[in-house]
Amino acid sequence: NAGVTQTPKFQVLKTGQSMTLQCAQDMNHNSMYWYRQDPGMGLRLIYYSASEGTTDKGEVPNGYNVSRLNKREFSLRLESAAPSQTSVYFCASSIGLAGGTDTQYFGPGTRLTVL
Amino acid sequence: EDKVVQSPLSLVVHEGDTVTLNCSYEVTNFRSLLWYKQEKKAPTFLFMLTSSGIEKKSGRLSSILDKKELFSILNITATQTGDSAVYLCAVFPNTPLVFGKGTRLSVIA
Repeated sequence: NAGVTQTPKFQVLKTGQSMTLQCAQDMNHNSMYWYRQDPGMGLRLIYYSASEGTTDKGEVPNGYNVSRLNKREFSLRLESAAPSQTSVYFCASSIGLAGGTDTQYFGPGTRLTVL
Repeated sequence: EDKVVQSPLSLVVHEGDTVTLNCSYEVTNFRSLLWYKQEKKAPTFLFMLTSSGIEKKSGRLSSILDKKELFSILNITATQTGDSAVYLCAVFPNTPLVFGKGTRLSVIA
């Protein structure tokens, strides 16, 4: 039982390049999330998927797209990377309880640098 | 706009000290408050609080929620160097979690 896994762990891109961050969970969770974490800014939600087949914007969605490929996998795509997207990216998942008492479990993160 | 504010932003203590970390919030339709510990990598879950006045406890860590005054505290007693981390508070309103910026705790021997 690996929990939440993310690939790659590290990535360096040039401005304008594209890439996809991969996330998978093996806990049979319904909901999945993508966050970015910048120094002094805490965790900010980029996109989330409340259940398979749905995605919604979070606090900072500009410059990103997501795909909920199936119940296990949720990918984050940067179509044209910018230096402002240099950050640590975390994927998380949760059971997705309707009552809102929902613990999120985090992956190990991807450190992305855009030059 | 939903808001979570943590204080202090950073704290340095000596081993054996007791610390109190604060989290205040303003959100619509509060559902739950969560505390996470983040060392070098991913945040790890500590507590989830939904009811006022009920203390959650795990070893030297404890937390309590005050829904009337809209805040929570996280207490760590007899601190150890292994407690050094960023402690994140997050609140569940109508949308997914809203995080505070965290409190960086450094425990020195």
